[in-house]
Amino acid sequence: DAGITQSPRYKITETGRQVTLMCHQTWSHSYMFWYRQDLGHGLRLIYYSAAADITDKGEVPDGYVVSRSKTENFPLTLESATRSQTSVYFCASRVGGTAGELFFGEGSRLTVL
Amino acid sequence: AQSVTQLDSHVSVSEGTPVLLRCNYSSSYSPSLFWYVQHPNKGLQLLLKYTSAATLVKGINGFEAEFKKSETSFHLTKPSAHMSDAAEYFCVVSAQTSYDKVIFGPGTSLSVIP
Repeated sequence: DAGITQSPRYKITETGRQVTLMCHQTWSHSYMFWYRQDLGHGLRLIYYSAAADITDKGEVPDGYVVSRSKTENFPLTLESATRSQTSVYFCASRVGGTAGELFFGEGSRLTVL
Repeated sequence: AQSVTQLDSHVSVSEGTPVLLRCNYSSSYSPSLFWYVQHPNKGLQLLLKYTSAATLVKGINGFEAEFKKSETSFHLTKPSAHMSDAAEYFCVVSAQTSYDKVIFGPGTSLSVIP
């Protein structure tokens, strides 16, 4: 199916473990984004990518790593998960510049115990 | 620098009455402005966007918003609320520059009372 898909949708892990959240889009959009959503903070940008092999930090990048070897995939890795990283994570894509619409996945709910 | 303020964290209306969700922004550049809606346990969906064309923008599901540069506002309205409108609404600003920063407001939760 066309669109943007995230996996897993739900994940429970323990402090210190590595976790990877996957994001896949079928449109070949240039830009991809990772946001986290927390009560009282709205959506905050973690990392974004303008194209394959081009990534940059957003507002809250500490503790996260991204890669983009292929246009359609943009995985987010928590190298050593902490409780403060318990959140809902959203991946999004956009065709081009800042006037364009963001297309969101359905989110990945991560709980770090 | 850019910022977005959503003046109400929660709005409650009766079904069939008008909806007003307020948004003020700050931007050093000519902004693009958006409203997104998020239903429970779902991703965000675009309602409407302003990108320097008409100042009154019509969106999906009967929503519209007016860009007022003098007031730096982009309030979202709907003449008659429906139960299905109950959701979280986000006002978003992005600068029309090469920098890819998109700023989300904190959100307004809309409740619709039968």
